[in-house]
Amino acid sequence: EAAVTQSPRNKVAVTGGKVTLSCNQTNNHNNMYWYRQDTGHGLRLIHYSYGAGSTEKGDIPDGYKASRPSQENFSLILELATPSQTSVYFCASGDQGGNQAPLFGEGTRLSVL
Amino acid sequence: QQNVQQSPESLIVPEGARTSLNCTFSDSASQYFWWYRQHSGKAPKALMSIFSNGEKEEGRFTIHLNKASLHFSLHIRDSQPSDSALYLCAVNSGTYQRFGTGTKLQVVP
Repeated sequence: EAAVTQSPRNKVAVTGGKVTLSCNQTNNHNNMYWYRQDTGHGLRLIHYSYGAGSTEKGDIPDGYKASRPSQENFSLILELATPSQTSVYFCASGDQGGNQAPLFGEGTRLSVL
Repeated sequence: QQNVQQSPESLIVPEGARTSLNCTFSDSASQYFWWYRQHSGKAPKALMSIFSNGEKEEGRFTIHLNKASLHFSLHIRDSQPSDSALYLCAVNSGTYQRFGTGTKLQVVP
């Protein structure tokens, strides 16, 4: 069964600390995405990837890095976490082309104190 | 840059009512139009999509698309309490989808 798995599901971090959010997909999709969701802003794209070794900036990349070491795995890295990065983060995977909806993971709730 | 807006922000309707949700976009070259439903604490899940002007019906749900007006909508017939959720519209105009800010729907018995 197609799946996107995120870890951890919940994370509390300190300001200035490093945070890594992980995402694994078993769908053999080329594209993977990291979104954040905040009340009043919907889902906003941070970074995305076309395949292993590639990362691209989305609409709000500042303060975030991404890594795609393999087809299955896509990480989001906050080198110096700030309270403004407190949010719910969703990873998604999908095929090329807009006629297929990406499949979302269950989300990671991050609090930066 | 694509701008996607939804209205209303929230909506309370009685069970059995017809519900209408709206989405506007700014890029006339957009090709694919989606509605997602997200229950509280869960992942967004694609509900249905439309790719050409007109109307598409799936069960109690209907999408209308008018590209000239840069507008599409979702209509729910015979709304049920289980339809209570956050509804997100999304538009593809390139590699990825851009989402609206969402409409929170509550259907009361």
